[in-house]
Amino acid sequence: DTAVSQTPKYLVTQMGNDKSIKCEQNLGHDTMYWYKQDSKKFLKIMFSYNNKELIINETVPNRFSPKSPDKAHLNLHINSLELGDSAVYFCASSLGTAGGELFFGEGSRLTVL
Amino acid sequence: RKEVEQDPGPFNVPEGATVAFNCTYSNSASQSFFWYRQDCRKEPKLLMSVYSSGNEDGRFTAQLNRASQYISLLIRDSKLSDSATYLCVVNNGFQKLVFGTGTRLLVSP
Repeated sequence: DTAVSQTPKYLVTQMGNDKSIKCEQNLGHDTMYWYKQDSKKFLKIMFSYNNKELIINETVPNRFSPKSPDKAHLNLHINSLELGDSAVYFCASSLGTAGGELFFGEGSRLTVL
Repeated sequence: RKEVEQDPGPFNVPEGATVAFNCTYSNSASQSFFWYRQDCRKEPKLLMSVYSSGNEDGRFTAQLNRASQYISLLIRDSKLSDSATYLCVVNNGFQKLVFGTGTRLLVSP
């Protein structure tokens, strides 16, 4: 039973389109995250939510809009996709906000053509 | 200066070798430290936390030097299955974990 699951795993789309990635965790964790891993393998935090409340927003373009309907779900919507958005997007969760162990989903590989 | 810096490698070692990775961090207020492992095209997974007194888990030993702001990971008796990217991770005191770019290890027969 997957602890942190995200869909879709692969996404190929044209510039200018809008797309969403969904994430769900069944670990009972309070905090969820979106990380972006670019072609140079650099993993950078984008957003963090604790009990549906946004606590970290790392200078991400406002084309990216996270939504947390409940503490087990954190979705990421991206408007007007650009070539530079091509990356692997990882969802993660943790028990608290103190930066303890992160549990990652398998990643969603986004390719913008 | 990057918040967390690592030598990207790759480190090419034969099976059975001992290999060490270092990582430096810039924020002296950083509170907790970890090593994660990421296999090719997979998600990162926690390898071990790093405690002030140093800690060991089987063939893996992690050390923290707060004065010099670096952490290290030592792998003894390398196995083929140790081939992966090792990510140094630091809690920078603002409730977020900052990842290094990773050090790639290749263990060959």
